[in-house]
Amino acid sequence: NAGVTQTPKFQVLKTGQSMTLQCAQDMNHNSMYWYRQDPGMGLRLIYYSASEGTTDKGEVPNGYNVSRLNKREFSLRLESAAPSQTSVYFCASRLWGAEAFFGQGTRLTVV
Amino acid sequence: AQTVTQSQPEMSVQEAETVTLSCTYDTSESDYYLFWYKQPPSRQMILVIRQEAYKQQNATENRFSVNFQKAAKSFSLKISDSQLGDAAMYFCAYRSEQGGSEKLVFGKGTKLTVNP
Repeated sequence: NAGVTQTPKFQVLKTGQSMTLQCAQDMNHNSMYWYRQDPGMGLRLIYYSASEGTTDKGEVPNGYNVSRLNKREFSLRLESAAPSQTSVYFCASRLWGAEAFFGQGTRLTVV
Repeated sequence: AQTVTQSQPEMSVQEAETVTLSCTYDTSESDYYLFWYKQPPSRQMILVIRQEAYKQQNATENRFSVNFQKAAKSFSLKISDSQLGDAAMYFCAYRSEQGGSEKLVFGKGTKLTVNP
């Protein structure tokens, strides 16, 4: 049982480049989340999806877009990467009423 | 909007002793969940303990227990008989159970050091 899988685990981008972070869960969870973690800031919610086909903004959505194409997958896209988006990104999922499970994180550096 | 505050950026404890990590939250809701997550250097987020707001009894999981004070909006984590493997970042988190909200909000974390 793989749980929550994020790809890639590490990425270096140049300013202005675009990329998509992928997240997939095999636990049949309804809700999925994208967070960023910065030193001293904890985990801040970027976007979340309560169910397939729905997405909502979190605390820090600017500069990001998301897609919930099916129940398993929830991707995060950076259209034009900026150094301020250098961070560790976490995907999480959960079943309604239960706790969240997290992926291993993606360390993204924008130079 | 709900907020979670962890007022201790860093804490340290001697091995085998007890330490308490603080967490307060702000909400106008009556139905919610609270969590403590542990993040070791591996970066993996691990659920330590959860508390349903409607339950008056404090949750316990082996050496980990909470002191949940709903009126004071306080949710502290007590680690007894601290072990070297307890060294990690600890995050307090809040999740609403009202209005269909699926948001899971985290505090900024407390770095726990365990001294041998």
